Amino acid sequence: EAQVTQNPRYLITVTGKKLTVTCSQNMNHEYMSWYRQDPGLGLRQIYYSMNVEVTDKGDVPEGYKVSRKEKRNFPLILESPSPNQTSLYFCASRPGQVFRGYYEQYFGPGTRLTVT
Amino acid sequence: LAKTTQPISMDSYEGQEVNITCSHNNIATNDYITWYQQFPSQGPRFIIQGYKTKVTNEVASLFIPADRKSSTLSLPRVSLSDTAVYYCLVGDGERRNTGKLIFGQGTTLQVKP
Repeated sequence: EAQVTQNPRYLITVTGKKLTVTCSQNMNHEYMSWYRQDPGLGLRQIYYSMNVEVTDKGDVPEGYKVSRKEKRNFPLILESPSPNQTSLYFCASRPGQVFRGYYEQYFGPGTRLTVT
Repeated sequence: LAKTTQPISMDSYEGQEVNITCSHNNIATNDYITWYQQFPSQGPRFIIQGYKTKVTNEVASLFIPADRKSSTLSLPRVSLSDTAVYYCLVGDGERRNTGKLIFGQGTTLQVKP
């Protein structure tokens, strides 16, 4: 089954304790992205990657890191989490080839992170 | 940048047709307009996409006027299960093909019995 998976689905942690949220897709997609979702703010893009070893900032990259060493994986790293990073996080992927602006992204189930 | 504007919320009743309009004044020539649906605590799901005029699938229709500065998602005969947030999405007109996408605020549709 074609899917995007994220782990963990729920995480409660303390300020400053480094954490990683994993994202994996089995569709051989070149493009992957991370979003955070907060009440009243909708979905905001954190980072995205057009292919292996190619990453770029989205709208809210501060406090986050990403890496893309393999095509299928795109982990989100919080080196020193803070309470304002408490949020619902989604990973997404799509084929890299953009034909006349075609964007259909496949989203993971979400990771609910709480930083105390 | 291609920013979108949608109504924050809409109410409807079962069986009615619902139309949600999205404004995107700075849409780029090659950008498509895409709509996603999101249920609580789930990731967004692709509904429909179009470039101009009208597109229809088994879920919805999308109407795009000639100037492409707005679009309207039409949901025929909604049911309670259509209660969700609907996002209008266009590509980044300034950095086309980089993958940087911008979601609108989303429209929360509440369908009542």
